[in-house]
Amino acid sequence: DAGVIQSPRHEVTEMGQEVTLRCKPISGHDYLFWYRQTMMRGLELLIYFNNNVPIDDSGMPEDRFSAKMPNASFSTLKIQPSEPRDSAVYFCASSEQRRNSPLHFGNGTRLTVT
Amino acid sequence: GQQVMQIPQYQHVQEGEDFTTYCNSSTTLSNIQWYKQRPGGHPVFLIQLVKSGEVKKQKRLTFQFGEAKKNSSLHITATQTTDVGTYFCAGRNGGSNYKLTFGKGTLLTVNP
Repeated sequence: DAGVIQSPRHEVTEMGQEVTLRCKPISGHDYLFWYRQTMMRGLELLIYFNNNVPIDDSGMPEDRFSAKMPNASFSTLKIQPSEPRDSAVYFCASSEQRRNSPLHFGNGTRLTVT
Repeated sequence: GQQVMQIPQYQHVQEGEDFTTYCNSSTTLSNIQWYKQRPGGHPVFLIQLVKSGEVKKQKRLTFQFGEAKKNSSLHITATQTTDVGTYFCAGRNGGSNYKLTFGKGTLLTVNP
């Protein structure tokens, strides 16, 4: 089991540029979550998917953020255009279908927008 | 929406001292999970509590779930330098929403 795989590990970009973060969940996991972590706000849930379908995107900050899950083994989080306040660590996590199943987090992507 | 509050925000102890972090939810939870994040790392699942009043132990760590299922605590006995990290509680409401809401965590540092 390779765990949840995120790429890139680090991303530095200029304000206004498009940023795409990628995630490969653990095989067989039916839920996928995108979290953002900052010192001020902690771990915030942005969106989660069940069987590739977005279920709750109420945490997505604004229209600049979008997330897709075209298949069971791949998801993207896109920010367009990026702004300095988007700088954070973005985590992807996956879990099994069982309701009380724990989340398995990837190593995260540290995004810096200058 | 659901809020999960966690205190203290920071805790510095001498090695060998005990440590406790507390978690309170604005709503009744169906279950609560605890995670540990080492500096520079990602959150790692520790344990889950489901039943009212439940107590679980993992070596020096003791986890409790309140009778009303709105609060929880994590207690570490005789801290070690390997306990350093941020401890998060995360709660889930009942119903169909699978959303897991995290507290802001307690950063534990241990002086050897």
